[in-house]
Amino acid sequence: QVQLVESGGGVAQPGRSLRLSCAASGFSFNTYGMHWVRLAPGKGPEWVAVISYEGSTKYYADSVKGRFTISRDNSKNTLYLQMNSLRTDDTAVYYCAKALGDMYYFDSWGQGTPVTVSS
Amino acid sequence: EIVLTQSPATLSVSPGERATLSCRASESVRSYLGWYQQKPGQPPRLLIYDVSSRATGIPARFSGSGSGTDFTLTISSLEPEDFAVYFCQQRFNWPRVTFGQGTRLEIK
Repeated sequence: QVQLVESGGGVAQPGRSLRLSCAASGFSFNTYGMHWVRLAPGKGPEWVAVISYEGSTKYYADSVKGRFTISRDNSKNTLYLQMNSLRTDDTAVYYCAKALGDMYYFDSWGQGTPVTVSS
Repeated sequence: EIVLTQSPATLSVSPGERATLSCRASESVRSYLGWYQQKPGQPPRLLIYDVSSRATGIPARFSGSGSGTDFTLTISSLEPEDFAVYFCQQRFNWPRVTFGQGTRLEIK
């Protein structure tokens, strides 16, 4: 079955960086677009970024554009999120998620990795 | 940005009864709306996509309806495991999909 395992979260000061990873298994990783979605306490989920199956197309939420970079290594079945210039409002649990076919719904999620940005 | 507003924020219902959750979009999303369930310590789980299609493995007691700006998730007869938080999500203006703020379904 589909398994997504995130890592790399933690505590960072404002302005610092973190790199998240998501190891995928149980499906043909190199045929699916992959997303990052975050969930902050007391709020609804927020879509963060998407990367196409071969990595050539990337889109970002306005709130992270210019600061975050999504990438993937299909040889390692791994998705990444490089987060630079972190802000306190980036504090959330970050999930990698697989899309439902070519639709922008998310039918498989990892367990999430928490990111806390605080001085 | 399309804003999704869910109501009520908290819904108290007894097991075995029907629950009706609402989601209103700030502009039409046609039929491109889905629903998720989230339990404590778990990621969201896709229940319904494109208004009324159940995701794999979702019981028939979950159903969705609506179009344009007004949508409803109905749980016909609540089981103990259904008490959770529910989110709606639109994919109309992909890639910038948005979610509602959630409805907490609690035991009455």
